[in-house]
Amino acid sequence: DTEVTQTPKHLVMGMTNKKSLKCEQHMGHRAMYWYKQKAKKPPELMFVYSYEKLSINESVPSRFSPECPNSSLLNLHLHALQPEDSALYLCASSQEGAQTGELFFGEGSRLTVL
Amino acid sequence: RKEVEQDPGPFNVPEGATVAFNCTYSNSASQSFFWYRQDCRKEPKLLMSVYSSGNEDGRFTAQLNRASQYISLLIRDSKLSDSATYLCVVNWVDSSYKLIFGSGTRLLVRP
Repeated sequence: DTEVTQTPKHLVMGMTNKKSLKCEQHMGHRAMYWYKQKAKKPPELMFVYSYEKLSINESVPSRFSPECPNSSLLNLHLHALQPEDSALYLCASSQEGAQTGELFFGEGSRLTVL
Repeated sequence: RKEVEQDPGPFNVPEGATVAFNCTYSNSASQSFFWYRQDCRKEPKLLMSVYSSGNEDGRFTAQLNRASQYISLLIRDSKLSDSATYLCVVNWVDSSYKLIFGSGTRLLVRP
């Protein structure tokens, strides 16, 4: 079982809905990540939080809004999404930078936008 | 040229076979290299880091060739349970938090 917990596992939403994806880790990791993965494609980095501060935003549209309430939690707020945003959203954490350590992934939240 | 490039496969091999994957990367300044494994509809998991001197973990051997900018993964005595997608991962040097994933190589091990 993964030590990074993501909820919900599945989410279906309309284009006008507002929803949130949640991620939690209790390994004391100081970096947390959001990745997006489409079918048969590799994970694509969206955001990185380091010590609860946003350190990387990979030019993600503003309809995706990350939030890091504390060192264990990471949220992704979703608003006015498009059908092409349907994907698996993976949360990950690492001890420090990903360069030196392992990324631990959650099982992902599978999002469908109608 | 893609930042990290892999042959998508699939590689279809019988149990017991030896199979090797290569991955090329474009940024000569990259310092950290990894192989991750992803099972169908599951999250990626670290298989092994790749060190300059090469490293081995049981049936798995990883090698780094900096001159030619590629890394390799060798799997000996393939098992059915090795069937998965193998992702080559390289750090991006402008940020210690940024890893670039290759598109993955799919391995199917048949009985």
